[in-house]
Amino acid sequence: DSGVTQTPKHLITATGQRVTLRCSPRSGDLSVYWYQQSLDQGLQFLIQYYNGEERAKGNILERFSAQQFPDLHSELNLSSLELGDSALYFCASSDLQGIYTEAFFGQGTRLTVV
Amino acid sequence: AQKVTQAQTEISVVEKEDVTLDCVYETRDTTYYLFWYKQPPSGELVFLIRRNSFDEQNEISGRYSWNFQKSTSSFNFTITASQVVDSAVYFCALSEAATGRRALTFGSGTRLQVQP
Repeated sequence: DSGVTQTPKHLITATGQRVTLRCSPRSGDLSVYWYQQSLDQGLQFLIQYYNGEERAKGNILERFSAQQFPDLHSELNLSSLELGDSALYFCASSDLQGIYTEAFFGQGTRLTVV
Repeated sequence: AQKVTQAQTEISVVEKEDVTLDCVYETRDTTYYLFWYKQPPSGELVFLIRRNSFDEQNEISGRYSWNFQKSTSSFNFTITASQVVDSAVYFCALSEAATGRRALTFGSGTRLQVQP
């Protein structure tokens, strides 16, 4: 158990809809990362938050947004969903300030857009 | 820009064979971290190891060992006496430290099949 919790584990929704994925980081970790794993793009970084503020952006679509709340949990919002958004979405957390930079990953949310 | 290449898409071995998974990286930073993750069929990403760019010592953990060579920008992973439970997709990843952006850049992964 990595200590990072993601909900839901599975999500099936229709094209055009909007979904919210939730992530609770490990206790004490201030940094949250979102990654997308799809068959054609592999594992790619979407966005990073640190203590409530956006820190870095990767290949995140404009239809996607995220935020980190005062209790440090994070949500990834995906809107106007397309078939190609079907993927495994991972959240990871780490202690940005420490020398240990390994990211601990949650179990992922498998999103299927039909 | 940083890049991680795992040229081996899929490897199949018979149990008890040794197997090496290759990883080559590109970065302009002098301070960076290299990782290996395992993704079993259940889908989660399991952290295996982290090395920083200043530590080129090889590491051994049980049947796992890692060979880090800055001269060739490689961070290879060897499993000795492979077992069926080692069947998984293995990802090599890179994180740059200088900018404070700790996001991981992953390779495309190597699927390892260990046959009984």
